[in-house]
Amino acid sequence: KQEVTQIPAALSVPEGENLVLNCSFTDSAIYNLQWFRQDPGKGLTSLLLIQSSQREQTSGRLNASLDKSSGRSTLYIAASQPGDSATYLCAVKGNKLVFGAGTILRVKS
Amino acid sequence: EAGVAQSPRYKIIEKRQSVAFWCNPISGHATLYWYQQILGQGPKLLIQFQNNGVVDDSQLPKDRFSAERLKGVDSTLKIQPAKLEDSAVYLCASSPGGANFGETQYFGPGTRLLVL
Repeated sequence: KQEVTQIPAALSVPEGENLVLNCSFTDSAIYNLQWFRQDPGKGLTSLLLIQSSQREQTSGRLNASLDKSSGRSTLYIAASQPGDSATYLCAVKGNKLVFGAGTILRVKS
Repeated sequence: EAGVAQSPRYKIIEKRQSVAFWCNPISGHATLYWYQQILGQGPKLLIQFQNNGVVDDSQLPKDRFSAERLKGVDSTLKIQPAKLEDSAVYLCASSPGGANFGETQYFGPGTRLLVL
């Protein structure tokens, strides 16, 4: 059974800081890994999707890496802004999409 | 392009009552998913439809939960009778479908259910 763990559970940083969110998974037989953002009272927004054959994906200030053999992914956020405050969820796609519990990020102005 | 629509957005019921949620996926998307997200946890897949057929309902508590997707478009999820532990956000998602396991899912805003 696939299990996804995200560390840390919560993070508070000052504006402008670079930060890293971590995700680990137990079963490396995946099709892809996806990072989502969830704002309070809203649904999930896909940020980055990394196919199992890829090592990383970038979008603006976001960079996600995937090491399938070790079962790890990181989401790097550069020059954080207060608008980045949200919950970040990691999900891996095998025969179903399995989510971690998320990291609650607060960026202080 | 319109996103995934869900209604109602909020629902408060007493335990043992029944409740139903509605989802309208993105036009043309063949695959529809229902997820349950309990506070402090990530979403958990309840059921997946491919057109109007069920692909995976292994985590659906079938003694009280039911779902249907008539005509392969809209879907309803029903809980009868509700328990306190059913308090959660119910998320609907859709994807274009087919054999492409690498495609992304698009999520609706969710229905927040509180069972008292």
